[in-house]
Amino acid sequence: AQKVTQAQTEISVVEKEDVTLDCVYETRDTTYYLFWYKQPPSGELVFLIRRNSFDEQNEISGRYSWNFQKSTSSFNFTITASQVVDSAVYFCALSGPRTSGSRLTFGEGTQLTVNP
Amino acid sequence: DVKVTQSSRYLVKRTGEKVFLECVQDMDHENMFWYRQDPGLGLRLIYFSYDVKMKEKGDIPEGYSVSREKKERFSLILESASTNQTSMYLCASFPGGGVYGYTFGSGTRLTVV
Repeated sequence: AQKVTQAQTEISVVEKEDVTLDCVYETRDTTYYLFWYKQPPSGELVFLIRRNSFDEQNEISGRYSWNFQKSTSSFNFTITASQVVDSAVYFCALSGPRTSGSRLTFGEGTQLTVNP
Repeated sequence: DVKVTQSSRYLVKRTGEKVFLECVQDMDHENMFWYRQDPGLGLRLIYFSYDVKMKEKGDIPEGYSVSREKKERFSLILESASTNQTSMYLCASFPGGGVYGYTFGSGTRLTVV
């Protein structure tokens, strides 16, 4: 069975602070995919990143960076110099090896509030 | 731009009614999914389909059924709506390959009274 845990239910920061959202996963598959999604107040889930289990290289995209550590089964997400527009619910998710018919399992989500 | 469209943004239905939630994607994706989202529980998978007329149960299929007669359309059916099915329902599609994520619709907030 797959499981994703986001231990931080809510995080509140002041603008320009750096913030890290934690994600820990469980799976028996040797091949799997990890995702992060953003859900702003409008409700639509926005895809941020997909990472496969064979690629442990960290990724940076502008103010966003992701740290994948297989040894600790973690896929953490850092926002540098946070902005008010980053306020949203962020979901970490995991899917299995089959690219077709593979379900996406979500964590409970972390509500990030960035205050001006 | 890829698009997943859910027919209604808000719905209010009465207990016992049969409810249809429609989802259409224009990306020719094989895989389509229905999730429900509840506070503190994240998104939970109800049903998914990896081909026309094919379906698989997710984690919480009880009280729901689905229909996929055409590749672009995936319908979620609440056979007899109950108040505990009040929730946000999200549809998603996925091509089955490549480097992209799942594309989600805007969601349908269903209230059963």
